[in-house]
This record gives sequence, C-alpha cells and structure tokens, in this order.
Amino acid sequence: DAGITQSPRHKVTETGTPVTLRCHQTENHRYMYWYRQDPGHGLRLIHYSYGVKDTDKGEVSDGYSVSRSKTEDFLLTLESATSSQTSVYFCAISEEGDGYTFGSGTRLTVV
Amino acid sequence: DAKTTQPPSMDCAEGRAANLPCNHSTISGNEYVYWYRQIHSQGPQYIIHGLKNNETNEMASLIITEDRKSSTLILPHATLRDTAVYYCIVIDAGNTPLVFGKGTRLSVIA
Repeated sequence: DAGITQSPRHKVTETGTPVTLRCHQTENHRYMYWYRQDPGHGLRLIHYSYGVKDTDKGEVSDGYSVSRSKTEDFLLTLESATSSQTSVYFCAISEEGDGYTFGSGTRLTVV
Repeated sequence: DAKTTQPPSMDCAEGRAANLPCNHSTISGNEYVYWYRQIHSQGPQYIIHGLKNNETNEMASLIITEDRKSSTLILPHATLRDTAVYYCIVIDAGNTPLVFGKGTRLSVIA
C-alpha cells in the first residue's frame, strides 16, 4: 500500500539461520505493528511499537525480536528460524484515531 | 480474544447490497467499531469505523444499533471484487493493537 513497504516480499531460509524482515513507512506514523497469518489462526500480533525505541510484545512474540531506531523503520528478527515460523508476515502503521494501513506482506518459508 | 461475533460466511448476488452483521454485546462506552477486509493474500484494508452514530464513506456504510451491541456493514452495490474476508473489530481510542477474529467470508456471485 502507498506509504508502507515490506521487504523482502518472499524469502526461503534454512532452519537455524537468522532472518530480518523490514517494514518501512513514509507517513511518519507513530505506531507500527508486526502480525503473522497462518491458515486456521488468522492474523496474530507479534510485536508492536508506539515510538522510537518503544516496543511491546504481542500474542505470539516467542522467537521474535524487534527494533525501531527510526520512526520510519520497524525490523522483525527471527534469531534462529524454525519451521513453525513459516508464515505470511504483515506490517501495519497507524496514528491516533485512524485506521491501520497494512503492507503487502512477506511470505517466509523456513526449510 | 476478539470481542465480536460474526457469521463465518455469506453469499451476495453481484449488484445487490451486502449486509454483514456483527455482534459486540460487551462493548464499552469508549470503544469504537472498526471494519477491515482482506482480499485473498493481500494485507487487510481499512473500510470504516464508528462510535455510536451511523457512518458512510465511499466504500461502505456502518449502522450501529442504539444500544451499540451490534452493527451492520453495508456494501451498497456489491461487485465481484468485494469478495473477501470481512473483520469487525472493537477497540478503544488509545491505539490498542487490533485483535482479529475469524471474520466473515463474503462471496459475491455473478
């Protein structure tokens, strides 16, 4: 979507390797979020951020870490990827009182 | 946990109005009703939101009952491109993260 981009769009990685997904926004929105989506589970919140260096855990944060050193970038890191982390990852941004804008997603496969 | 109840699926004929119901009987006074949709494999898309008054925008209308315990999203003239999963979400105004339920899978049929 305009103003938010995710990279890479697709990635295949091996079990045990570190992986970093990037979410970049040009809207200067304060809030940023990482979700994962799996069949049968819908969208689940991993981590979110309410400002530079301010982050918090979501429902399924185990095995993931995040960093936000600049307003525009929110990074999601899988320290040691596992097959259970094969999923589609969505980033979202928002401001107070507004709806969320979601990115186009990153499809990650861990083999 | 999601605070809303939606039917798992609905069909609608192309060109007709699609009326998607949502129950949120435990909604509190400062919570808004938001609607999003997700077209296959894309990121969810914001549609509309409201507090207690009915709302309309270029995409849809939102009708909230007077007791605020339920609402209906109306797509006035559904097209095939409206086929998607529609999520009704109740959330307060403080940017609490969205919690998604299973939504309603709307199929628009030619």
